Amino acid sequence: DQQVKQNSPSLSVQEGRISILNCDYTNSMFDYFLWYKKYPAEGPTFLISISSIKDKNEDGRFTVFLNKSAKHLSLHIVPSQPGDSAVYFCAASLGGYQKVTFGTGTKLQVIP
Amino acid sequence: SAVISQKPSRDICQRGTSLTIQCQVDSQVTMMFWYRQQPGQSLTLIATANQGSEATYESGFVIDKFPISRPNLTFSTLTVSNMSPEDSSIYLCSVVVGGYTEAFFGQGTRLTVV
Repeated sequence: DQQVKQNSPSLSVQEGRISILNCDYTNSMFDYFLWYKKYPAEGPTFLISISSIKDKNEDGRFTVFLNKSAKHLSLHIVPSQPGDSAVYFCAASLGGYQKVTFGTGTKLQVIP
Repeated sequence: SAVISQKPSRDICQRGTSLTIQCQVDSQVTMMFWYRQQPGQSLTLIATANQGSEATYESGFVIDKFPISRPNLTFSTLTVSNMSPEDSSIYLCSVVVGGYTEAFFGQGTRLTVV
């Protein structure tokens, strides 16, 4: 049972445009959501997070939106840069960082 | 943040053998975890490494197959025992540092079992 789903395995975006990565979850008890970025041969790197009491969190070029009623979150990257090319994992947890459930990842390619 | 050193970074092992993966952190951490990422799959939590006591395993993972040690607050090992080709994965150490709400990851160990 995949509780966190990223239905798009890959995404290609032109440099300077917006990248939108989507994530759906099934467990309404999740109260903390995170996005990680992973380059080949490296471990995942934390990018941005959002608590379930918020619907938006922004950090520079990265914004995460949470729609609790739809059990959906998205990561917006504006403007996209070639260095953003990586695999992005959506993750969710219960009660802060305890057991984190990861999605399958979306490979983003930003084309110069 | 935390700097995590994971060894080895990769290995190719014969089936039936065991491999021990080390995770060293540059500071004392509150929680340490071991994850597995099978090819094309998401990261799956294997267990929580508890300092001074037995690890807490997730459903589908058992101590006989994945024994874990955590002798202190900065170090842990994961052993993959009696390996088969199905164990070919990336194994990742993850830590939570006090004051942070996100986890930090090591670079991972890419294991291939032949």
